[in-house]
Amino acid sequence: QSALTQPASVSGSPGQSITISCTGNSSNVGNYIRVSWYQQHPGKAPKLIIYDVLNRPSGVSNRFSGSKSDKTASLSISGLQAEDEADYYCSSYTSNTTLVWVFGGGTKLTVL
Amino acid sequence: EVQLVESGGGLVKPGGSLRLSCAASGFIFTTYNMNWVRQAPGKGLEWVSSISRTSHYINYADSVKGRFTISRDNAKNSLYLQMNSLRAEDTGVYYCAGRYCSGGNCFYYFDYWGQGTLVIVSS
Repeated sequence: QSALTQPASVSGSPGQSITISCTGNSSNVGNYIRVSWYQQHPGKAPKLIIYDVLNRPSGVSNRFSGSKSDKTASLSISGLQAEDEADYYCSSYTSNTTLVWVFGGGTKLTVL
Repeated sequence: EVQLVESGGGLVKPGGSLRLSCAASGFIFTTYNMNWVRQAPGKGLEWVSSISRTSHYINYADSVKGRFTISRDNAKNSLYLQMNSLRAEDTGVYYCAGRYCSGGNCFYYFDYWGQGTLVIVSS
């Protein structure tokens, strides 16, 4: 059971927009802006696409955006493209003394 | 070009040991807090351990505390994970991942990742 809860799967057609949620609690998402999102294609390493809730690293498409409300962070992808099909993971710093970082269970995005 | 290259994975029996290595290049290693993150087959990511730039601060997930030891050699631009008393549930791909630090502050995300090394614990 992951500390952060994500939907197992989402899907959308090319050109559409989707949103992936990431729900935590007051010791992680709810108390920090230190939420990041990673994209992982099969057999590949994770790639940072959003950091500190809403910031994009250089080189990441502006079709990716992030937000947060209370204990839930969200990743939105607009103008879906076939190459967006991947697994997406959220992560947060945590004040839990037994952990430093927590991840969500991952969401499989299928582009129909 | 930034590279993190893990090695040392393999098949080991329960109770056995392995030492993973991660060789860094293309960036200033001493400006990065380094971490191990693992992924069980078909599962999500799990943070395992972190080590600060000077090795002064070290943290472990409860699931590996007392069995795994993280270390780094800044002269060799390398990160290590000594894994003892291995269990079946330790099976997975182990990634090294870096967090950039500037001055006294480290950023709260992993911007560099290696390709991973597979550890299989099975009899």
